[in-house]
Amino acid sequence: DAKTTQPPSMDCAEGRAANLPCNHSTISGNEYVYWYRQIHSQGPQYIIHGLKNNETNEMASLIITEDRKSSTLILPHATLRDTAVYYCIVRLTDSWGKLQFGAGTQVVVTP
Amino acid sequence: AAGVIQSPRHLIKEKRETATLKCYPIPRHDTVYWYQQGPGQDPQFLISFYEKMQSDKGSIPDRFSAQQFSDYHSELNMSSLELGDSALYFCASSLDWQGNEQYFGPGTRLTVT
Repeated sequence: DAKTTQPPSMDCAEGRAANLPCNHSTISGNEYVYWYRQIHSQGPQYIIHGLKNNETNEMASLIITEDRKSSTLILPHATLRDTAVYYCIVRLTDSWGKLQFGAGTQVVVTP
Repeated sequence: AAGVIQSPRHLIKEKRETATLKCYPIPRHDTVYWYQQGPGQDPQFLISFYEKMQSDKGSIPDRFSAQQFSDYHSELNMSSLELGDSALYFCASSLDWQGNEQYFGPGTRLTVT
């Protein structure tokens, strides 16, 4: 699976959009981009995933560049409860599903 | 909505003892994953099961074993516990074998003294 690079930390003001970047320059054509988050010591939580098209659900939007070498997770209106470590994970489409968590981004939402 | 259930939530054991962690997946989820998260570390994949068969294996020590039962619940058995086994152990389940959306349980905090 391709490696990902994320900034170690970022702050966001409550009510503003949080844009979390992820670099995956070695991604292959059959690898999905997944985003999970982990609120302190809780089980990780699935957010969204995509292959090449932009995706949106009730939690977030995922924007994948045309060359697929990077992506951005957008939390449209950050709340204090969005404070968490956010993980960008790249994984093969036809794999058994194991997630390889790397160093994510610690997002702190401030009032 | 039903979530993944893990028991016990906390467990304290001494070195060289054994421990059994249990995981009850979301109803209709036939795939279960186990992850270990040491203090200050990111979760690490241990092992997974699909339809009661082992489907993938990660960095799981030989002292650990796991299985998935006919009702799809899973147990992680840990023997000859070491201090370094102290960690949060998460179980996750998914509706499909590819695990596109994995739902994690609250975890079992194992402390080895």
